[in-house]
Amino acid sequence: NAGVTQTPKFQVLKTGQSMTLQCAQDMNHEYMSWYRQDPGMGLRLIHYSVGAGITDQGEVPNGYNVSRSTTEDFPLRLLSAAPSQTSVYFCASSYAKGVNGGPTGELFFGEGSRLTVL
Amino acid sequence: GNSVTQMEGPVTLSEEAFLTINCTYTATGYPSLFWYVQYPGEGLQLLLKATKADDKGSNKGFEATYRKETTSFHLEKGSVQVSDSAVYFCALTPRTGANNLFFGTGTRLTVIP
Repeated sequence: NAGVTQTPKFQVLKTGQSMTLQCAQDMNHEYMSWYRQDPGMGLRLIHYSVGAGITDQGEVPNGYNVSRSTTEDFPLRLLSAAPSQTSVYFCASSYAKGVNGGPTGELFFGEGSRLTVL
Repeated sequence: GNSVTQMEGPVTLSEEAFLTINCTYTATGYPSLFWYVQYPGEGLQLLLKATKADDKGSNKGFEATYRKETTSFHLEKGSVQVSDSAVYFCALTPRTGANNLFFGTGTRLTVIP
């Protein structure tokens, strides 16, 4: 029962460096998403995908790119890291529902990736 | 707009005490409401949900009732255990198939023996 797997769990970057956070799920979920969790702000949606080849922006997309070439994988790319991107990142997936393909509401989360940008 | 407001934490209780964590919401349309729990070092997991007014969600001794008249979804448990120590998030989706869940800021609960 792997569920949603995120790597790496911890990462330290210098300002301007790039990196990719990996996310894979083995539940055949159509919907996948990335959230960031910051103290006092709850979780905020960065990007989401309702199926392979389809991605869209969430509340806080600036500085992040995503792609969805397969149903299983949904990597998050930071092209030029900034200290404001220091956060804990969560990947989440769900069965899709509705004409927009959005989540049913029961999201399955990975364990999170803690990123520090110096 | 859509938003969720949770009571400020942290909350510290003795084992077997009664728990209430307040949650109120603002939403367009007819939202579904959720409580998620995050145990230390783990991702969030769904605790309970309610999809329409007056529904009561329940799981593991926790309950929450969807109150449309007060726009609330307060989490309750009659007797907490040390193993309930975690961060609790209230969340809503404005309608089935909407592309986002809106989360509250989370309430940290610590239960002491």
